[in-house]
Amino acid sequence: AIRMTQSPSSLSASTGDRVTITCRASQGISSYLAWYQQKPGKAPKLLIYAASTLQSGVPSRFSGSGSGTDFTLTISCLQSEDFATYYCQQYYSYPPSTFGQGTKVEIK
Amino acid sequence: EVQLVESGGGLVQPGGSLRLSCAASGFTFSSYDMHWVRQATGKGLEWVSAIGTAGDTYYPGSVKGRFTISRENAKNSLYLQMNSLRAGDTAVYYCARGANWGFPQPFDYWGQGTLVTVSS
Repeated sequence: AIRMTQSPSSLSASTGDRVTITCRASQGISSYLAWYQQKPGKAPKLLIYAASTLQSGVPSRFSGSGSGTDFTLTISCLQSEDFATYYCQQYYSYPPSTFGQGTKVEIK
Repeated sequence: EVQLVESGGGLVQPGGSLRLSCAASGFTFSSYDMHWVRQATGKGLEWVSAIGTAGDTYYPGSVKGRFTISRENAKNSLYLQMNSLRAGDTAVYYCARGANWGFPQPFDYWGQGTLVTVSS
């Protein structure tokens, strides 16, 4: 199975900060990469798919980039509602589809 | 509005069985691939199974042979039959819809989850 490794595992940031989360695949996955946001006690929400395509309704402060093995999720101007855990997912190799371990974005 | 509502979770002994259900509404259920994803408390997400519109099924090695995904399009329902349950299967189980372009695909809508606890 393809292993997805996110970094950092957690970070502290302030409202208005620019935040970048990275995700590395153990082998090339082209652009078959999605990002999800999960708040405590809630289901994950799709933010970005195909590495850089914003899901409908997601604010434009979220952006994604990368292809092959290295990917990034950037939040350009962190808002209070963005404090959550973020997961990357590869859907290139199927089965299984695999997720990163998550990055928790906390308030500084 | 797309809605996915899971049910059927609960406490079960090791070696026991449980059947989860997911009621779908707000979209043409038969036209979408569907998935189950689980999350142990405080842990990350693990894809558990998928079923295509033609009834083709997919599993990771960790549940293959123990779990069976199925769908009943006439009832807009997705199921997960879980047998030979282990403590490691304890998790919240989410039903999720595959984005509408066929495999491979991300998951564009998720239910709120149902908790399965495997313990004696």
